[in-house]
Amino acid sequence: QVQLVQSGAEMKKPGASVKVSCKASGYTFTAYFVHWVRQAPGQGLEWVGWMDPKSGDTNYGQKFEGRVTMTRDTSITTAYMELTGLTYDDTAVYFCARSSPLDCWGRGTLVTVSS
Amino acid sequence: QSVLTQPPSVSAAPGQKVTISCSGSSSNIAIHYVSWYQLVPGTAPKLLIYDNVKRASGIPDRFSGSQSGTSATLDITGLQTGDEADYYCGAWDSSLSDEVFGGGTKLTVL
Repeated sequence: QVQLVQSGAEMKKPGASVKVSCKASGYTFTAYFVHWVRQAPGQGLEWVGWMDPKSGDTNYGQKFEGRVTMTRDTSITTAYMELTGLTYDDTAVYFCARSSPLDCWGRGTLVTVSS
Repeated sequence: QSVLTQPPSVSAAPGQKVTISCSGSSSNIAIHYVSWYQLVPGTAPKLLIYDNVKRASGIPDRFSGSQSGTSATLDITGLQTGDEADYYCGAWDSSLSDEVFGGGTKLTVL
């Protein structure tokens, strides 16, 4: 079955970077975009951006431009999202999802930014 | 502040019907398809409705979506306790060039 398995929880200090992985299985990895969406504690969903695994093309949300990089390794059907310059406001659960529409989601990776 | 506006909470008794609204603008809901998602803490979010009205695979017909102008609606009939969750609408926004979401609606089945 279609599945997205994300890497485990991370704890980072302000100013650090985090890289979250999303392993896809059960479908042709390069046939669907991968989106990243986050949810801060007690807050709603916030779109981070998408990546085309076939070409490597990306489209980042305005809020994250310059701080986020989405990449992939097609040999292991895995997508990555790296966020730099972390602040306390980046504490959130980060989800990857297949599109379009966003019909399969990972269970999320908790990223905690704390000194 | 979310670009799309949803009521913070709705509630109804088992077996009843609820409607969750999602209000947007001419740059999102009016011209781009709306999707609806169900979030239960600790589990992967689930796509319920896409392209305004289409049910995702495996979603019962108790869930239905509609759209008119700058607003969209999710209806859930025959409520079950298992429907308790947070529900989010989402759509592309041409002005922002971002995917935008509502603030979420917490459904309580009394």
